[in-house]
Amino acid sequence: GESVGLHLPTLSVQEGDNSIINCAYSNSASDYFIWYKQESGKGPQFIIDIRSNMDKRQGQRVTVLLNKTVKHLSLQIAATQPGDSAVYFCAESAAGGTSYGKLTFGQGTILTVHP
Amino acid sequence: DADVTQTPRNRITKTGKRIMLECSQTKGHDRMYWYRQDPGLGLRLIYYSFDVKDINKGEISDGYSVSRQAQAKFSLSLESAIPNQTALYFCATSKGPRQGTLYEQYFGPGTRLTVT
Repeated sequence: GESVGLHLPTLSVQEGDNSIINCAYSNSASDYFIWYKQESGKGPQFIIDIRSNMDKRQGQRVTVLLNKTVKHLSLQIAATQPGDSAVYFCAESAAGGTSYGKLTFGQGTILTVHP
Repeated sequence: DADVTQTPRNRITKTGKRIMLECSQTKGHDRMYWYRQDPGLGLRLIYYSFDVKDINKGEISDGYSVSRQAQAKFSLSLESAIPNQTALYFCATSKGPRQGTLYEQYFGPGTRLTVT
């Protein structure tokens, strides 16, 4: 049958504000998490990653937080700019077995930054 | 020059036609992947290959086949296209264990396929 698209979560912020994008994961065996940014008409681009033995990792203007207790991941973008407008995906992977090296992607969140 | 290229970038085809999407990479990565993206559904894995002799089904492989002709090339075929295969298709690559295992995948620009 025909697939029905879901409405993606959206986040609208003003330029200069901080943005927080959230992601819930379900596989307690996942030990690696990654955030991708996808701009319109382009393929996903790597932003930042984190392993399960960490709960926080910082990059340039971005921070990823991992809470394994509640299986929650967040991406914080500081001083958000119009160029940050995109769809953001989290992805997870579990070491070992048939899942090794494979990523499972979340649904995505649309971030819109207003000047 | 792009590290991961896909051809064609856009394709319109009719139901029942056979179509091949091609992917090439200059990153020297062992692993290659094909994903499908539909509005609101994220990226879903169709097939993946961890080296030239290795082909594995992903979560939505029905109606698709792949060929890993060389380390640098991984093609996706739709043997008999149907309208619900209309989607955006992405190829991706990643390092393998002999290259220092990293999970990060590098994506091509995508192929927009429309089946009428």
